[in-house]
Amino acid sequence: QKEVEQNSGPLSVPEGAIASLNCTYSDRGSQSFFWYRQYSGKSPELIMFIYSNGDKEDGRFTAQLNKASQYVSLLIRDSQPSDSATYLCAVNMAKGAGNNRKLIWGLGTSLAVNP
Amino acid sequence: DAGVIQSPRHEVTEMGQEVTLRCKPISGHNSLFWYRQTMMRGLELLIYFNNNVPIDDSGMPEDRFSAKMPNASFSTLKIQPSEPRDSAVYFCASTSTGFTEAFFGQGTRLTVV
Repeated sequence: QKEVEQNSGPLSVPEGAIASLNCTYSDRGSQSFFWYRQYSGKSPELIMFIYSNGDKEDGRFTAQLNKASQYVSLLIRDSQPSDSATYLCAVNMAKGAGNNRKLIWGLGTSLAVNP
Repeated sequence: DAGVIQSPRHEVTEMGQEVTLRCKPISGHNSLFWYRQTMMRGLELLIYFNNNVPIDDSGMPEDRFSAKMPNASFSTLKIQPSEPRDSAVYFCASTSTGFTEAFFGQGTRLTVV
């Protein structure tokens, strides 16, 4: 099992719809979770982070975390063509001996919002 | 602040040549990360520094790769000798704490022919 898994997509949704992006992770002790957006040819930029179980809302974006099931999701309401990008899930998890933690990245889900 | 600054933006080099990538983190940030991104492997952490000290270099592929951070405002990633399989986009990122938001530079697209 990959440490952080995402469906590569492409996920295609019509403008105005809700886009749902999912991410699962292998380390039950993971503590913090991040969603980044990456436009083609650009660098990743942070959309949201979440630490606690439940939902966290920021504008049209909602992050959902379920530590028992080891998944984190990102909902985008009222999707716009400008939301078309690759969405990367990153998880802060323990790696190796001691207290060494790393941000482990999924391969990303490509989202296309059609006008 | 201008954000994380990387140079060059694009680099094309021949196999066997030395390549040096440069990064200037955001002023005041004390952690710096070097990543490599490819279609097949996604974003991979190569090395990260905290307060100019390398903390974890387990992601560095092999001895051909080396990284330095001589001061808080500058870091380099060197590949010597370069190989075609090193072709990727290399990102530098910085943050003010361990694992909260990391700000990425625009990346260096390296092509080794």
